[in-house]
Amino acid sequence: DTAVSQTPKYLVTQMGNDKSIKCEQNLGHDTMYWYKQDSKKFLKIMFSYNNKELIINETVPNRFSPKSPDKAHLNLHINSLELGDSAVYFCASSPGTGLYEQYFGPGTRLTVT
Amino acid sequence: AQRVTQPEKLLSVFKGAPVELKCNYSYSGSPELFWYVQYSRQRLQLLLRHISRESIKGFTADLNKGETSFHLKKPFAQEEDSAMYYCALNAGNMLTFGGGTRLMVKP
Repeated sequence: DTAVSQTPKYLVTQMGNDKSIKCEQNLGHDTMYWYKQDSKKFLKIMFSYNNKELIINETVPNRFSPKSPDKAHLNLHINSLELGDSAVYFCASSPGTGLYEQYFGPGTRLTVT
Repeated sequence: AQRVTQPEKLLSVFKGAPVELKCNYSYSGSPELFWYVQYSRQRLQLLLRHISRESIKGFTADLNKGETSFHLKKPFAQEEDSAMYYCALNAGNMLTFGGGTRLMVKP
């Protein structure tokens, strides 16, 4: 089944912990993204990688560190989790940068208690 | 810096009524605009893009550079159109999303 997949779907953790969210796409795309959707449904880009290289980093705290081991994967590691990190995180991919449709994953709902 | 504004958080209409979801943008360059939709329990997906000038599921959107708008319209809303709609601007290889509008179509 060709798609963008994310694991886990739900993540509940305590403040101060370190956690990772994984994303994989089997669409053969070169570009991958991480978005954060807050409680008010605002959707904001965090990072973009093209061919495993970071091309966009939108003023995200350095507690967030994306890692792209290959073109098909873009993982998000978060250190020292804070309450304000609670959100839904979406991974997406596109064939390249520019005017391509982005394909989104199902989202990971992160709850920090 | 680019910005996308969707002034309505919630739009509620009856089935068969016309619907218009508003989107205004701010961008100094040549804009490329999209509408994405998220149905209940489904992932966000592309609905249409202005460059294609096509109608998808009865929806159309026209780019008005004078008014810096890209409103989404459908003449007769259906219950299955109920979803969250996001307007997005592609600028510098990056999508900037509006705040989203939840469309509820009542029977």
